Amino acid sequence: DTAVSQTPKYLVTQMGNDKSIKCEQNLGHDTMYWYKQDSKKFLKIMFSYNNKELIINETVPNRFSPKSPDKAHLNLHINSLELGDSAVYFCASSFRQGASNEQFFGPGTRLTVL
Amino acid sequence: DAKTTQPPSMDCAEGRAANLPCNHSTISGNEYVYWYRQIHSQGPQYIIHGLKNNETNEMASLIITEDRKSSTLILPHATLRDTAVYYCIVRSGGSQGNLIFGKGTKLSVKP
Repeated sequence: DTAVSQTPKYLVTQMGNDKSIKCEQNLGHDTMYWYKQDSKKFLKIMFSYNNKELIINETVPNRFSPKSPDKAHLNLHINSLELGDSAVYFCASSFRQGASNEQFFGPGTRLTVL
Repeated sequence: DAKTTQPPSMDCAEGRAANLPCNHSTISGNEYVYWYRQIHSQGPQYIIHGLKNNETNEMASLIITEDRKSSTLILPHATLRDTAVYYCIVRSGGSQGNLIFGKGTKLSVKP
């Protein structure tokens, strides 16, 4: 009965590869997010989707492409992986956008690029 | 969104109340105060939020000063499992939803 789930939990890959991280929420939320937490533990928003439409796209390289097949899923595809992409990626969801709505986070995907 | 200032670390004895301060002196009238925590190797966890009034839920209490320039998160009976990094975040009412995390306060609960 996990609220926000991510797969895989760990991902180890070589530079230049293409990989995807999947996220699913069963809370019936309208909005989903991707965050990146780097080695210094800073947690930053990458993308926000509301009802399958991109709302926020912070300064993220276009090698990162989110895909939302439906309201419950927001996958993150990364092309041509670089060493600097190594981080923990967190998916989150909220009932809707706006400051009065708390976000629920998934367990994270630890990506290591060799 | 307004910025927040938190002490980098705090210690608390198990069973005692943990009081975590946060300064947000530039907060605007429509900005909410949010608290999240991140236990080691886990995703951030929502704790509580408020606008003007003090708030309490099953996890914690949030005390917001009358001028709203600072707040305190209170964990009434801290346990070892409350050891985590606690983030105080201010979000505007018109925000598109993104949370801006700072460095937070590393709370260590000790036996």
